[in-house]
Amino acid sequence: DIQMTQSPSTLSASAGNRVTITCRASQSISSWLAWYQQKPGKAPKLLIYKASSLNTGVPSRFSGSGSGTEFSLTISGLQPDDFATYYCQQYKTYSSFGQGTKVEIK
Amino acid sequence: EVQLLESGGGLVQPGGSLRLSCAASGFRFSSYAMSWVRQAPGKGPEWVSAVSGSGGATYYADSVEGRFTISRDESKNTLYLQMNSLRVEDTAIYYCARDLGGSCGGDCPLDYWGQGTLVTVSS
Repeated sequence: DIQMTQSPSTLSASAGNRVTITCRASQSISSWLAWYQQKPGKAPKLLIYKASSLNTGVPSRFSGSGSGTEFSLTISGLQPDDFATYYCQQYKTYSSFGQGTKVEIK
Repeated sequence: EVQLLESGGGLVQPGGSLRLSCAASGFRFSSYAMSWVRQAPGKGPEWVSAVSGSGGATYYADSVEGRFTISRDESKNTLYLQMNSLRVEDTAIYYCARDLGGSCGGDCPLDYWGQGTLVTVSS
């Protein structure tokens, strides 16, 4: 099984900040990586797939990068609506998710 | 507008069974693979099972293989998850989700999700 590890677990930031979340895979997954945003009591929402492709309707302040085993999600200019938990998902071999990174208000 | 609406969750004793349903609308159901994903309280999501667009191929996580069965009814635009021999560790919110593509087998991003249905396994 492919294990996904996110860091940090919690990130405190202010509106307008640029934040970066990291996701590491236990083996190479090429670019088969997606990022999701989840708010309390809601289902996850797809932000990015294939490591860097923005899903339809997702604001351009979200961007993804990386390949192989190291990936990152960057939010440029944090908005109040962005405070949430973010998950990475590998889909090279079935699917597995990271444990999440909570972006909270500083 | 794509909509996925799960139902069938509830409280069940260990060893019991439940069948979840997911009613789909707003897209050509038969053209997409579909998945079930669960999320235990305070944990990250866990992929559970997927079925191809044609329904001819099914895929399962090791944790549920042999206990859960995924299926779909194209005439009703509905996805199902039959869960048998339930364990306490199966307690979670269960989401149905649409795979970003038709030829997926649990190995695709998930572009639309339902609101989830809670399954609690407890004595």
